[in-house]
Amino acid sequence: SQQGEEDPQALSIQEGENATMNCSYKTSINNLQWYRQNSGRGLVHLILIRSNEREKHSGRLRVTLDTSKKSSSLLITASRAADTASYFCATDAGAQKLVFGQGTRLTINP
Amino acid sequence: EAGVAQSPRYKIIEKRQSVAFWCNPISGHATLYWYQQILGQGPKLLIQFQNNGVVDDSQLPKDRFSAERLKGVDSTLKIQPAKLEDSAVYLCASSLVRGYEQYFGPGTRLTVT
Repeated sequence: SQQGEEDPQALSIQEGENATMNCSYKTSINNLQWYRQNSGRGLVHLILIRSNEREKHSGRLRVTLDTSKKSSSLLITASRAADTASYFCATDAGAQKLVFGQGTRLTINP
Repeated sequence: EAGVAQSPRYKIIEKRQSVAFWCNPISGHATLYWYQQILGQGPKLLIQFQNNGVVDDSQLPKDRFSAERLKGVDSTLKIQPAKLEDSAVYLCASSLVRGYEQYFGPGTRLTVT
């Protein structure tokens, strides 16, 4: 069953611009995680935000979590060509089991 | 720190044949996961081990898929017999703490013809 849904499904921006992608989920969660997948490095963990947190930063990444709206957003600032990848949100809704969304395909144009 | 190792990287088989995938997790990681990722979709959890015990296998098609994790380290996932719809990338991941950051291997791309 699909817990998280990313929006948009695909996003294309110019290098240097900011990229924002969103994730909505259906049930209460313990935490929400964002992962990146590209052909060169496979799936890589980016950031984890717990249900009692509202915002987290890691380098050029900023994640917000709104549990009342059951949604999260990932912001990548000052995008680079190397950020071209698919981005997935994954939720732990209990039993320490992650359920992944369908992903957002991000393309950074030079 | 060595990452999660998987083999083979690619496998092509005919339907009704059998296939096995191998995974070696990061040293010290008690939790090991097998995911199936169909093209254009997110990974779907097939089975989760804590040490050598199964924690969750609710989405594992048990009539054809099996997995084991002997001695709480390496794991194998087997499909017998394979169907066309099993064509996917099979990902292995491990984590130090269940429910937290997972480290993924490069995956095995399976094509069933």
